[in-house]
Amino acid sequence: EAAVTQSPRNKVAVTGGKVTLSCNQTNNHNNMYWYRQDTGHGLRLIHYSYGAGSTEKGDIPDGYKASRPSQENFSLILELATPSQTSVYFCASGVQGGSSYEQYFGPGTRLTVL
Amino acid sequence: GEQVEQRPPHLSVREGDSAVITCTYTDPNSYYFFWYKQEPGASLQLLMKVFSSTEINEGQGFTVLLNKKDKRLSLNLTAAHPGDSAAYFCAVSATSSGQKLVFGQGTILKVYL
Repeated sequence: EAAVTQSPRNKVAVTGGKVTLSCNQTNNHNNMYWYRQDTGHGLRLIHYSYGAGSTEKGDIPDGYKASRPSQENFSLILELATPSQTSVYFCASGVQGGSSYEQYFGPGTRLTVL
Repeated sequence: GEQVEQRPPHLSVREGDSAVITCTYTDPNSYYFFWYKQEPGASLQLLMKVFSSTEINEGQGFTVLLNKKDKRLSLNLTAAHPGDSAAYFCAVSATSSGQKLVFGQGTILKVYL
């Protein structure tokens, strides 16, 4: 069964609205990541976390917040959604040490901001 | 910090032909390298990984070559088939990037009959 799940899978939001994307992992990995994928840009890191209670800024954090309330859950929050945040968002979990730092991805969330 | 350049952005080959995707990186302290495959509308799946210098890793019809001297990573497909049509991403882990992967821009591979 899927080890990294995301909800919702599709979301339509209005400009200025609040959006929360959720991610759950059963890999027992310390690290979790949020990316967005846009044509021509590949994957860009938004926020990541080393464990429960920690969040770190990635390469493009502006307009996004993150929350890691537990080992299993990592949320991405758009307080005031804008059309430029229309994208596909991927969550991933990753190991630390050993065969680090491969990451395992969720199925993605397609977000449209009108 | 680490920068990864992936080429080509698009690649179209006939079934049975070979295909090569290349990534170059900047941090000489990079130490873990990955290739991910993304089929249309789907998530990224780990395809292959390599850790040692000048390592050849084979599997699923692909060969991965790593040349640390030239800071170059390549994914070689010896005999393409339509099921290989997908986007492919390289990813690099380096001391300068901490516990993050730096991804290439991706290559969309199309295999036609």
